[in-house]
Amino acid sequence: DAKTTQPPSMDCAEGRAANLPCNHSTISGNEYVYWYRQIHSQGPQYIIHGLKNNETNEMASLIITEDRKSSTLILPHATLRDTAVYYCIVRVGSGNTGKLIFGQGTTLQVKP
Amino acid sequence: EAGVAQSPRYKIIEKRQSVAFWCNPISGHATLYWYQQILGQGPKLLIQFQNNGVVDDSQLPKDRFSAERLKGVDSTLKIQPAKLEDSAVYLCASSLSPGAGELFFGEGSRLTVL
Repeated sequence: DAKTTQPPSMDCAEGRAANLPCNHSTISGNEYVYWYRQIHSQGPQYIIHGLKNNETNEMASLIITEDRKSSTLILPHATLRDTAVYYCIVRVGSGNTGKLIFGQGTTLQVKP
Repeated sequence: EAGVAQSPRYKIIEKRQSVAFWCNPISGHATLYWYQQILGQGPKLLIQFQNNGVVDDSQLPKDRFSAERLKGVDSTLKIQPAKLEDSAVYLCASSLSPGAGELFFGEGSRLTVL
C-alpha cells in the first residue's frame, strides 16, 4: 500500500502558485519522497525528489517538513498545461530493491 | 533521446483470449518495469527486471500473466486467458539502474476486455 495521503482534487488559477500537500507520517529515515505527474492519456512524468532538504528544479520546488512527515510540491506559476494528476510517492526499500508505489494522487485543475 | 516505446497503443479482445504487449526501453537503461493502471487509480507495479533477471514480481498474477526480457533490452508482457478485470492501461517504464528513482514511462497500452 502507498505510504502517502493526498487530497483527491485541487483547483488553481492560471499564473498563481499551486501548492500540493502530501502526508507521509510513517516514512522511514532513509526513504525518499518522489513526485510524479500524469497528464491525461500519457504515462507518468518525474518531477522532483528529496530526502530531508528542500529541493528546486526547473519544474517545481519540494518543501519537506523537518520531521519529514509531510511535504508540499510547489508549481510557482501554474499554466493550463500543468493540469494533471500529481502523485506523491515514498520510495519503499533501498538500493536495488527500492520501488515506487503509487497512490491515488491529486487531480490539479488549473483554471484560466 | 528516444523515449520508452510501447505497442500496441490500443487493444480490444474478448475474455479468455490472449494478448501481448511489447516495450522497448531507453537505450542503456538496465531496469525495466511493467505497471498496470486501472481507470481512476494510480499505477500498480506488476514486475521489475534488472537486465534480463526478475527483481520483483510479487504483484504479478502468475496464473495468467507472464513477462520476459530475454536479451536484457526489450520486454513482452502476456495475458492468457484475459478476464474482464484486466481492462487497464499497461505502462512500461525504464531507469538507468534499480536504485534510480527517476523512471521514464511510455505512453502505455490500453486494453479493453469484453
